[in-house]
Amino acid sequence: GDSVTQMEGPVTLSEEAFLTINCTYTATGYPSLFWYVQYPGEGLQLLLKATKADDKGSNKGFEATYRKETTSFHLEKGSVQVSDSAVYFCALSGNEKLTFGTGTRLTIIP
Amino acid sequence: EAGVVQSPRYKIIEKKQPVAFWCNPISGHNTLYWYLQNLGQGPELLIRYENEEAVDDSQLPKDRFSAERLKGVDSTLKIQPAELGDSAVYLCASSLDAGTNSPLHFGNGTRLTVT
Repeated sequence: GDSVTQMEGPVTLSEEAFLTINCTYTATGYPSLFWYVQYPGEGLQLLLKATKADDKGSNKGFEATYRKETTSFHLEKGSVQVSDSAVYFCALSGNEKLTFGTGTRLTIIP
Repeated sequence: EAGVVQSPRYKIIEKKQPVAFWCNPISGHNTLYWYLQNLGQGPELLIRYENEEAVDDSQLPKDRFSAERLKGVDSTLKIQPAELGDSAVYLCASSLDAGTNSPLHFGNGTRLTVT
């Protein structure tokens, strides 16, 4: 079945550092790929998405590119801020079902 | 636009007691989901509704869990009787439809603690 493997956390970075959170997937067909974010005390919210190979999703300075050849959808940001501290979930949508990774907790220190 | 509303936010019960969670999706969203999120894990689908019809309940433990969405709007998820292992966060989400390009909007969840 479909599955998502995420880089294990927690990840701690200094403000303005470069961020990469790795995500790879296994799926049949051509799923859509998503990153969701969960800020402290809040519900999950969509951060960005990509619906086909080579698409790049972007939002709030974050980017991720749908790489079919490596079955990956790594999340990147050039300069993180304290307000980016949250749990990040990679997910794929296939067969009308959203499958999540285990999440990566990110902490940014000033 | 109001988001997905869940209540209660927290619930503590003793094992073997019943418990119910309520969800009000975003207006106009036909698809409603209940997810279970264990500590340190990603959400896992319990049940998906298209309007009032449960179209995917394959992961719902039907011996103790039940759900309904009678008028195709609000939904309730019930556990009877609760077990210690049911302690988790129960998330409700909604989307316009079940298409892969229709993003899910999540509520803040109900954190259940079974003692």
